[in-house]
Amino acid sequence: GAVVSQHPSRVICKSGTSVKIECRSLDFQATTMFWYRQFPKQSLMLMATSNEGSKATYEQGVEKDKFLINHASLTLSTLTVTSAHPEDSSFYICSALGQGSPLGQPQHFGDGTRLSIL
Amino acid sequence: AQSVTQPDIHITVSEGASLELRCNYSYGATPYLFWYVQSPGQGLQLLLKYFSGDTLVQGIKGFEAEFKRSQSSFNLRKPSVHWSDAAEYFCAVGLYSSASKIIFGSGTRLSIRP
Repeated sequence: GAVVSQHPSRVICKSGTSVKIECRSLDFQATTMFWYRQFPKQSLMLMATSNEGSKATYEQGVEKDKFLINHASLTLSTLTVTSAHPEDSSFYICSALGQGSPLGQPQHFGDGTRLSIL
Repeated sequence: AQSVTQPDIHITVSEGASLELRCNYSYGATPYLFWYVQSPGQGLQLLLKYFSGDTLVQGIKGFEAEFKRSQSSFNLRKPSVHWSDAAEYFCAVGLYSSASKIIFGSGTRLSIRP
């Protein structure tokens, strides 16, 4: 149980294009989803927290106009990297919490998306 | 401010040897603590978690961790490692105050010597 699917697993695109990454909870309803960014050989940095039906909460230093997050349903959140540039190349990982999860419940992670901007 | 420290960037152990990965945290109260494992190019898998109660917690794949309040530590252990244990290991602390946000340590890369 508690499977989170992330798509695509890898994407390569030209500078200036926008890229959408999907995060789906397959067997549970996720009221809260998190988006992380991971640079090579580094830890995960939280970018934003999204709650179904409301605006995402971005961490300090994360450009909300650059990284658009939508959480329109209890099973889907999307991250759109707008006008992507080579410095946006990274590994992006989402995670999800089930509906009614008590405080401290572990997040369930997707397998990540490797984004490469040429 | 809350923080998680994993002092060892890279550890190499021989297959069959015991393992201990260190984790120290800084937090104003007893935190929720987690260990996750990440294989190259993949997401994170939960190994074990501590919320309260018994300070020695058992996880998957033969791992265990011990919460020591006096040392603010939550070290991960395994009595005998297997080649398949080679991966990146992250210690993380969950925050009471911030809607289940968690903070990750910098990670420890584990290599296994045949």
